[in-house]
Amino acid sequence: GAVVSQHPSWVICKSGTSVKIECRSLDFQATTMFWYRQFPKQSLMLMATSNEGSKATYEQGVEKDKFLINHASLTLSTLTVTSAHPEDSSFYICSAIVGGRSSYEQYFGPGTRLTVT
Amino acid sequence: GEDVEQSLFLSVREGDSSVINCTYTDSSSTYLYWYKQEPGAGLQLLTYIFSNMDMKQDQRLTVLLNKKDKHLSLRIADTQTGDSAIYFCAERRYNFNKFYFGSGTKLNVKP
Repeated sequence: GAVVSQHPSWVICKSGTSVKIECRSLDFQATTMFWYRQFPKQSLMLMATSNEGSKATYEQGVEKDKFLINHASLTLSTLTVTSAHPEDSSFYICSAIVGGRSSYEQYFGPGTRLTVT
Repeated sequence: GEDVEQSLFLSVREGDSSVINCTYTDSSSTYLYWYKQEPGAGLQLLTYIFSNMDMKQDQRLTVLLNKKDKHLSLRIADTQTGDSAIYFCAERRYNFNKFYFGSGTKLNVKP
């Protein structure tokens, strides 16, 4: 089946520093990847849609300059949280749509727990 | 609208059937999904149904879709303790790759 990995699985950083989270599709090419944020006991909030080779499309209310997304290849998208603050602490999940097949299946990574101190 | 709604909690006894309900508002939805999330993990795709179908069965899982009422349900037969998790329904809108998620239903299975 389609497998999506994320790295790191958890990270603790100091306020003001930047953190990069990687999302990889391991056994398929992902033309489109998504980044979600999930607060405790809440649903997933779509942050942005990332297409390979083009700029990400951000959802309303998501700061582009704070959450930098790069989709450099068909198997890798990265999310960089710049100048992180405690309110950025959250569970970040990426997902990918399988390219080359019907795009109705979306597969999720295991998530990255970010804690900003 | 973008509202996908689910009840927050469901508690059942092991061996019973569980029914998790979901309502959505956008009639242009093409596919509707059920995902399972275990603590600290990502989402696992359980099953999906195309909007022109009424029912889909996959082993212990049965999905029912009432398009007129915009109501989706997931029935888990012979519920096991390993089924304890949060279940999310999601819809995909026509011509878009975006998925809109419900708030999730926490299923607690008592032995």
